Amino acid sequence: EADIYQTPRYLVIGTGKKITLECSQTMGHDKMYWYQQDPGMELHLIHYSYGVNSTEKGDLSSESTVSRIRTEHFPLTLESARPSHTSQYLCASSASPGGTMNTEAFFGQGTRLTVV
Amino acid sequence: GDSVTQMEGPVTLSEEAFLTINCTYTATGYPSLFWYVQYPGEGLQLLLKATKADDKGSNKGFEATYRKETTSFHLEKGSVQVSDSAVYFCALRTNNAGNMLTFGGGTRLMVKP
Repeated sequence: EADIYQTPRYLVIGTGKKITLECSQTMGHDKMYWYQQDPGMELHLIHYSYGVNSTEKGDLSSESTVSRIRTEHFPLTLESARPSHTSQYLCASSASPGGTMNTEAFFGQGTRLTVV
Repeated sequence: GDSVTQMEGPVTLSEEAFLTINCTYTATGYPSLFWYVQYPGEGLQLLLKATKADDKGSNKGFEATYRKETTSFHLEKGSVQVSDSAVYFCALRTNNAGNMLTFGGGTRLMVKP
């Protein structure tokens, strides 16, 4: 079982509010990712990190921001939530021992965000 | 760039039917290939993987063979169960672009009793 946790699982929030989605892993993985999953199921990479103090934007432009101050923690923040941010957000992590590409990514259970 | 193409769903089958979900890929270099499964309301879980040509990944009755000549990694199961109803994602990972995972669009499988 993967040791990666997301909170909250479900969140309904009003427009204009600031929110932070939490993601933590206890596996010591250096790489962490945030995906946005649309209703059609497709996954879009919105942020990733190779390690502490490293963050990059993904393929899909997002108004969210992330930080990586500790290896185990990779929170995602929306400064001002809008209905267009309503989606499922999935956090993942992976190791990269010796730069190998054979290791899989482990996913959290996701946060379903609804902005009203 | 790298890409993964999966057959579109939903795929609807009766219990004990044979399942195939097609997956083809485009990648520079020699990728590792993965199948992930997402049950309702959950995150993704690794189902199986293969790291080099002709490798066969298998788990829980599911199988997929890494076919370099056809750049494919089709998922198969001989006899599906209602509990296999989920969304299945094919993915690849290369040494390019920082070892990022590239996912297909997902295929929803519905198994009826």
